[in-house]
Amino acid sequence: DAGVIQSPRHEVTEMGQEVTLRCKPISGHDYLFWYRQTMMRGLELLIYFNNNVPIDDSGMPEDRFSAKMPNASFSTLKIQPSEPRDSAVYFCASSPGRSGNEQYFGPGTRLTVT
Amino acid sequence: AQTVTQSQPEMSVQEAETVTLSCTYDTSESNYYLFWYKQPPSRQMILVIRQEAYKQQNATENRFSVNFQKAAKSFSLKISDSQLGDTAMYFCAFMKNGGKLIFGQGTELSVKP
Repeated sequence: DAGVIQSPRHEVTEMGQEVTLRCKPISGHDYLFWYRQTMMRGLELLIYFNNNVPIDDSGMPEDRFSAKMPNASFSTLKIQPSEPRDSAVYFCASSPGRSGNEQYFGPGTRLTVT
Repeated sequence: AQTVTQSQPEMSVQEAETVTLSCTYDTSESNYYLFWYKQPPSRQMILVIRQEAYKQQNATENRFSVNFQKAAKSFSLKISDSQLGDTAMYFCAFMKNGGKLIFGQGTELSVKP
């Protein structure tokens, strides 16, 4: 298996622009997670899905952030409009069903908003 | 709310020596899982070791082992025979039923030749 795939690997955009981050989980995994990593706040969960349904979005910072999972093999995290404080590394992770299982992380997308 | 604390922002160890990274957590749950993840400069998050709270036996994976003290809410990672490739940021993480990982702030480990 190719592992969790994220695109793009790097994104540089100007403040106010829309940004879309993409994730393809490992086939057969029914949990998908979006995390954000910054120096100030460390690694924090933004949202996670089970069987394509959002379960916990309490970590989504504000209405500018939205996430979707239209099918089992694809998810997006969108920021509109983007702000410099959104600059971070965004990770997608997936895991198979049973609670407590390892989460497999993608390589991350480094987002820079100028 | 659960919290995870790693009190050592940076550590260093000589190649072939042993090092222990500390982690404490706070929870009122009785069933949960604990993890150590490694993040090398490539920034890829890699699972090092996993512990189930209901298991008293400490988990081991080759050169990596944990000291899990449930009553003290402590979960330290011991790396034996340190190798240059162990240089990375190490994150302790907590998961209760449901899948949400809560991470500590990380310990940056440098292995020196």
